[in-house]
Amino acid sequence: QQQVKQSPQSLIVQKGGISIINCAYENTAFDYFPWYQQFPGKGPALLIAIRPDVSEKKEGRFTISFNKSAKQFSLHIMDSQPGDSATYFCAALQTGTASKLTFGTGTRLQVTL
Amino acid sequence: DGGITQSPKYLFRKEGQNVTLSCEQNLNHDAMYWYRQDPGQGLRLIYYSQIVNDFQKGDIAEGYSVSREKKESFPLTVTSAQKNPTAFYLCASSIRDKNTEAFFGQGTRLTVV
Repeated sequence: QQQVKQSPQSLIVQKGGISIINCAYENTAFDYFPWYQQFPGKGPALLIAIRPDVSEKKEGRFTISFNKSAKQFSLHIMDSQPGDSATYFCAALQTGTASKLTFGTGTRLQVTL
Repeated sequence: DGGITQSPKYLFRKEGQNVTLSCEQNLNHDAMYWYRQDPGQGLRLIYYSQIVNDFQKGDIAEGYSVSREKKESFPLTVTSAQKNPTAFYLCASSIRDKNTEAFFGQGTRLTVV
């Protein structure tokens, strides 16, 4: 049972364009939604995260949009750069005792020149 | 220099052999996790531990075993019972009961030959 669904599986964007990755979740008890960035051969690293009490969070070129009623959230990368080429994972967490992250299946982003 | 160290980076195993992957952290985190990463399937949780001498099965624990004798260390043994062990294995740690940021190691790529 996949509790966090992520799309698309892969994405090609031109330099300067906007990259958009979408995720949907099922468990309404989730209360923390991070995005992780992973470069080839490396472990994932936290990029940006949001809690459901806000609809949007922006950090530099990265923005999370959150729709609680639709149980969806998305990552927008503005002015995409070749250095953004990586795999992006959305995740969801129910904070509290024995909390553990549930990850989406990942999106491989390639930013072309 | 705080972080999580996984070793070795590459590991080859013959069919029928057990093999142990090392994970050490000096972040003073109570919680540690093992994930398996396969193409198109995201990160799947194998085992996790919230405290020394205690651990719980994740979503895909069959064919794996762990121990948590020290706070800093959480080794994973891939046993001969694991039918498809070739994968990229990631260790992570976080503050207990929060896990709002999981810190990942660089991963171990295991190949069965």
